[in-house]
Amino acid sequence: TQLLEQSPQFLSIQEGENLTVYCNSSSVFSSLQWYRQEPGEGPVLLVTVVTGGEVKKLKRLTFQFGDARKDSSLHITAAQPGDTGLYLCAGALRDGTYKYIFGTGTRLKVLA
Amino acid sequence: DSGVTQTPKHLITATGQRVTLRCSPRSGDLSVYWYQQSLDQGLQFLIQYYNGEERAKGNILERFSAQQFPDLHSELNLSSLELGDSALYFCASSVDLNTIYFGEGSWLTVV
Repeated sequence: TQLLEQSPQFLSIQEGENLTVYCNSSSVFSSLQWYRQEPGEGPVLLVTVVTGGEVKKLKRLTFQFGDARKDSSLHITAAQPGDTGLYLCAGALRDGTYKYIFGTGTRLKVLA
Repeated sequence: DSGVTQTPKHLITATGQRVTLRCSPRSGDLSVYWYQQSLDQGLQFLIQYYNGEERAKGNILERFSAQQFPDLHSELNLSSLELGDSALYFCASSVDLNTIYFGEGSWLTVV
């Protein structure tokens, strides 16, 4: 059972378009993180969202944490080829197991 | 540079063999995590240690084991290797159990 589902799995868009990636779960998370991973490299942390309803902006990237802390979204405005990569949401379960799990991932390709 | 160091970066070995992957966490981080990422797949949580003690266990095979030493570095031991064990193995560390930082990974190829 995948506890963090991301959608879409794959996304190919033209430079300048906007996009939104979703991360959904039936579990509550104390916080969620978003990472970006390049092929053959480790995931790089982009942002942490902690409070339900929180919105954080990182240049053209906007991250939102759901009010119930079960979901999150990543919106990219005016995508650029440099945004190409694998985007992963992740979080620590609040079930006492301390497991830090990753979402299924969204592979984004931005065409010039 | 995340501050998490993994060695070796690349490793090629034969089926049935045993290998050890090593990880040095960021300075001050007590938690170490191990993940496996196969080609075009997501990150599968294997195991977590906190200050030398096993804290959480994921989908780690019985052929695999790990430990965290008093100096907080960690090792992941993979034995009786199979072709399907070929993957990128990541170590990560954290200080607050929420935000974790990844090393560059160890590429394991089993032939």
